[in-house]
Amino acid sequence: DGGITQSPKYLFRKEGQNVTLSCEQNLNHDAMYWYRQDPGQGLRLIYYSQIVNDFQKGDIAEGYSVSREKKESFPLTVTSAQKNPTAFYLCASSPDGDGEQFFGPGTRLTVL
Amino acid sequence: QKEVEQDPGPLSVPEGAIVSLNCTYSNSAFQYFMWYRQYSRKGPELLMYTYSSGNKEDGRFTAQVDKSSKYISLFIRDSQPSDSATYLCAMSYTGGFKTIFGAGTRLFVKA
Repeated sequence: DGGITQSPKYLFRKEGQNVTLSCEQNLNHDAMYWYRQDPGQGLRLIYYSQIVNDFQKGDIAEGYSVSREKKESFPLTVTSAQKNPTAFYLCASSPDGDGEQFFGPGTRLTVL
Repeated sequence: QKEVEQDPGPLSVPEGAIVSLNCTYSNSAFQYFMWYRQYSRKGPELLMYTYSSGNKEDGRFTAQVDKSSKYISLFIRDSQPSDSATYLCAMSYTGGFKTIFGAGTRLFVKA
């Protein structure tokens, strides 16, 4: 059953802690993306990766870091430098970086 | 000016109505046009994908692209309460590696 999985579904973090959100895909897609979605707002691009071992900053990369060591995995770390991390985080993948993207179910991060 | 403009709504219609959702854009380089449906607290689901101009139909859904007017539409026929969701338009171009999303329109279909 092909698709994109994200874990955990809900995550709670204390201020000052780093947390890592998992994203895995078995669609054999080259490109992967991380977005942040706040209530009533659209999707804002955090980071994207077109190929293994390469990634680019999106529009709101400050306070976040990523790695792309394997084609199927693109984890996102929310660092303590991110001033307002409470949000819904979405991972997506695309066959070649153009055209359609397919999304995971999302992780809701809450900072206590 | 945003690259993609989408009325956030909310849009409320009775069951069985025809729904029209729209987006305008400013970048004439866009070639790929998508519509996503997002239920509350879920990831967006790809509904329609169109390359360049023209119409595409899939069941009760029709997507239209008018590149000359930089305007795209999604029509939902015989709308159902299960269609109640937020609809996001999105667009990209070859080599762009980034997709630009509209803010989403919240749709409510009343039984």
